[in-house]
Amino acid sequence: GAVVSQHPSRVICKSGTSVKIECRSLDFQATTMFWYRQFPKQSLMLMATSNEGSKATYEQGVEKDKFLINHASLTLSTLTVTSAHPEDSSFYICSANLLTRHNEQFFGPGTRLTVL
Amino acid sequence: GNSVTQMEGPVTLSEEAFLTINCTYTATGYPSLFWYVQYPGEGLQLLLKATKADDKGSNKGFEATYRKETTSFHLEKGSVQVSDSAVYFCALSGTGYALNFGKGTSLLVTP
Repeated sequence: GAVVSQHPSRVICKSGTSVKIECRSLDFQATTMFWYRQFPKQSLMLMATSNEGSKATYEQGVEKDKFLINHASLTLSTLTVTSAHPEDSSFYICSANLLTRHNEQFFGPGTRLTVL
Repeated sequence: GNSVTQMEGPVTLSEEAFLTINCTYTATGYPSLFWYVQYPGEGLQLLLKATKADDKGSNKGFEATYRKETTSFHLEKGSVQVSDSAVYFCALSGTGYALNFGKGTSLLVTP
């Protein structure tokens, strides 16, 4: 149990276009999900905390108008990278909190975004 | 703010060797500490955790002890296997449950 999926696993897009990444908790409900970004050989950096039914909380330095987060249901959060540029190319990872496991976070497999 | 520092990799060991991956942290309050593992092509998985000082987390032969006096949470395993080859991340969480990660340490175990 406690599986988190992400879709797509890999996406290539042209500069200036928008890309949506989905994060789903498959067998549990998650009131809170997190979005991380990972650069090559770097740590995971928290981008934002996504709360179901309310606005996301963004970390300092993360542009909320560029990285749109929607958490419309207890099993789905989406991250939309708007007007993507090559510097947005990265590995995006989501996680979901499981309250019944003392808020243990379960991670998705990640989405590799490449902006040409 | 909160931060985690872990030893740089890659670490290459022979099978059955002893493993230590160092992790130190800076945090306000009383964070929980974690080790996550990422196998090739897979997402992060929780390996073990400790929620208060002197707690020892253990799983699959791995152990780490929450040392408040040295602000450390070093990962150890007495005898590594080829299947332990992965990237290991030390992390902490304060209030709000979001995680601060170290940079990750790549481990390669050779037969």
